[in-house]
Amino acid sequence: EPEVTQTPSHQVTQMGQEVILRCVPISNHLYFYWYRQILGQKVEFLVSFYNNEISEKSEIFDDQFSVERPDGSNFTLKIRSTKLEDSAMYFCASSEGASGVGEQFFGPGTRLTVL
Amino acid sequence: DAKTTQPPSMDCAEGRAANLPCNHSTISGNEYVYWYRQIHSQGPQYIIHGLKNNETNEMASLIITEDRKSSTLILPHATLRDTAVYYCIVRAGTRWREKLTFGTGTRLTIIP
Repeated sequence: EPEVTQTPSHQVTQMGQEVILRCVPISNHLYFYWYRQILGQKVEFLVSFYNNEISEKSEIFDDQFSVERPDGSNFTLKIRSTKLEDSAMYFCASSEGASGVGEQFFGPGTRLTVL
Repeated sequence: DAKTTQPPSMDCAEGRAANLPCNHSTISGNEYVYWYRQIHSQGPQYIIHGLKNNETNEMASLIITEDRKSSTLILPHATLRDTAVYYCIVRAGTRWREKLTFGTGTRLTIIP
């Protein structure tokens, strides 16, 4: 069964460093998303992406964040200068976009720890 | 999107049916009910969705009341692997491409 994959599974970085989180969505999917979950809190939407541009972003997704689909398979989230409060699980999701169901398939997540 | 209300936690004995309620009294006519679950910090997993008819798939059944103000997710024979946080999400059918808004969900614990 096709699945969303994410790398790395765990990333440790120093405050102020740049990190890139990588995702490979399901191959025929057209809509891509990033969510995050701070330990013990709700899953929060960050950004959605379609047709090589951002469709929607939350207040969390400020100028420190960017997304890119550099090729036909990868979808990345970059945090330019990490802060302690960026420590969280980051989930990538994708959606087929054709059936109108809106079912989103989530990856296993990347645990980001900012020291 | 309509607001949903779920109990914070529930227990269910292994092998029994787990019935998870969700209240969505302000749901409007074009809004679907979706259920996702999250097993111990893994990515959320889609379970089922419905508009007004009852739905069943290999994972669960979804019962929506006639007035659509509440629904119940049924896991017919709960196993230990069903221990997870279950989220009931309401979203307009026209907004199916958009973000999912997760609440705090119901933490279901399956007891051996």
